[in-house]
Amino acid sequence: SAVISQKPSRDICQRGTSLTIQCQVDSQVTMMFWYRQQPGQSLTLIATANQGSEATYESGFVIDKFPISRPNLTFSTLTVSNMSPEDSSIYLCSVEQLSTGELFFGEGSRLTVL
Amino acid sequence: TQLLEQSPQFLSIQEGENLTVYCNSSSVFSSLQWYRQEPGEGPVLLVTVVTGGEVKKLKRLTFQFGDARKDSSLHITAAQPGDTGLYLCAGAGSGAGSYQLTFGKGTKLSVIP
Repeated sequence: SAVISQKPSRDICQRGTSLTIQCQVDSQVTMMFWYRQQPGQSLTLIATANQGSEATYESGFVIDKFPISRPNLTFSTLTVSNMSPEDSSIYLCSVEQLSTGELFFGEGSRLTVL
Repeated sequence: TQLLEQSPQFLSIQEGENLTVYCNSSSVFSSLQWYRQEPGEGPVLLVTVVTGGEVKKLKRLTFQFGDARKDSSLHITAAQPGDTGLYLCAGAGSGAGSYQLTFGKGTKLSVIP
């Protein structure tokens, strides 16, 4: 299984600012994903981070709000732009083990927007 | 849109009791995964069930996939405080790639010593 590290683990931000979350994997992986877990809600897929090309966003999520970078096969960033209190959530990075289709998650980044 | 309904949403029990968590859908899934998430951590995969009717055991945890592959259950025997956490079920669609996972809202379990 892959070891996934996320930074920051938590942050408190002011409305209107932006925050970039980093995800580092200890091995090269093809598929990296970003999820959001709002309080009391399920995990929702934001986008698939593609190495060497633009991320693929799910319905309801756009690049201007959640720009994603994937410079190589072990690293990705998610930026939450122009934050509002509604963006307060846990943001999770995950990778897929292709042989089994199982997902492995980072510990998450808990974001609170005041 | 595939939806997964988990029940109960919250469960608080005494140490030593048994419990069952349910995950139901009107859709058919090619496989179903169960995760446990502790506060401040990401979800950790417990098991994947693939075949209709399949039963998998992981120590005191028993997972069952419904015959029609639309539902699943997680049964915990003699619950311990270490079992406390959020239990999530996630179904994989018929398309390729697990990024098509649909997650339930989770069952928050508290086991009181």
